[in-house]
This record gives sequence, structure tokens and C-alpha cells, in this order.
Amino acid sequence: ELKVEQNPLFLSMQEGKNYTIYCNYSTTSDRLYWYRQDPGKSLESLFVLLSNGAVKQEGRLMASLDTKARLSTLHITAAVHDLSATYFCAVDNAGGTSYGKLTFGQGTILTVHP
Amino acid sequence: NAGVMQNPRHLVRRRGQEARLRCSPMKGHSHVYWYRQLPEEGLKFMVYLQKENIIDESGMPKERFSAEFPKEGPSILRIQQVVRGDSAAYFCASSPDTNQPQHFGDGTRLSIL
Repeated sequence: ELKVEQNPLFLSMQEGKNYTIYCNYSTTSDRLYWYRQDPGKSLESLFVLLSNGAVKQEGRLMASLDTKARLSTLHITAAVHDLSATYFCAVDNAGGTSYGKLTFGQGTILTVHP
Repeated sequence: NAGVMQNPRHLVRRRGQEARLRCSPMKGHSHVYWYRQLPEEGLKFMVYLQKENIIDESGMPKERFSAEFPKEGPSILRIQQVVRGDSAAYFCASSPDTNQPQHFGDGTRLSIL
């Protein structure tokens, strides 16, 4: 059974600081997604990582994927209050036959303080 | 292009009643997925459907839950004889094919009294 684990689960940051959220998964994956969720809202797609060594950046967020280590990271640079949200990684794997069944991590609740 | 539309946004039911949750995928999307999010937890896969077919229902509870995606109309997630433990946010997602990211609806928050 595929397991996806994120850490930390809670992250309190000061504005302007840097930090990294980690996402480990237990079996070979075809692709990995990062999503953002604001309270009471739906999930917003942030990044899709398709291959080993993939790195994508959007604003203050940068995501990377190491398929050999089964690890993805979401790096936050110079955090601002607007980044406060819950961040999920999700792995797409169905016994090696990818058809979009996502397994989600527990989520990381990020709070950015002034 | 409208996003994934779910309704109702909030649904309150008493124990033993039926709950029907609707999901209209994005235009051009034929793959629909349902997920459940319990409070303070991540999303858990329930079922994957294409038009008129259930492809994978491995995440569906064995009893009381069913899903359909008819040729015409929205996908329906149906919960019979609801219990308190069914209280959760139910999200629908759609994609044009399995190689594209899933787009999520705003969810239906189900509360059981």
C-alpha cells in the first residue's frame, strides 16, 4: 500500500524566513503533485513533477523531486503572510499503471507571522 | 471555462437519511474522482469514474456508499442511512485524461445531526 508522509505537519514561520516541507512516499511513483488549500476552500494545483530531478518554481515556492530517494521538497523563500495555508503533496501511482488515483500526504499547516 | 462544480456546498442530514452529492466536471473532462477529507486530515481517494463506468472504487466503504457518472448529467455520490462518522468534506475532481492534473471542486461539507 502506498504511503505518503509529510513533515512537518505544522509550521510557524516569520515573514522573510526560508523553510522546506518534505514529502516522502513508499513506492515508485509516476508523478507527484503539490496542492495548496485555504481554510474552507478547495485545492489549488501548485506544481506537477514528472521526472527525477525535476525542479519547478513559482514566485516564492520551489518544488523538487528525487525519485530515487522517493522524496519531494517544497521550499519557501522569504515567506509572506499570503502563503499561510495547508500544503499537500499527492502521489499518483496505481500499481505502476498511472490513472490519476492520488494518494495524499497528511498536509502541512503553514502559518506565517509578521 | 467553468471549473468543477459541486453542489450543494453544505448539506445537513439527520442520522438514517440519504445524502446525494453532485459533481459536474470541467468541460471536456471525462474522468471524475471523488475524495473524502475528514477534519484535520488529508484527502482520501474514494472512487474513479468515467462516463457510465466505475473504474476503481477501492476507496469506497463497502456498504451505504455508491457513485455513478451517467451518460448525461453530473456524477452523483450517494450515501444511504448516514451516520455521524460520514461528516466530512467531499471533493470531486476531474481531468481530461490521466496524464493531466486533477482540478478540484469547492467540495460539499456534509454534517450529520
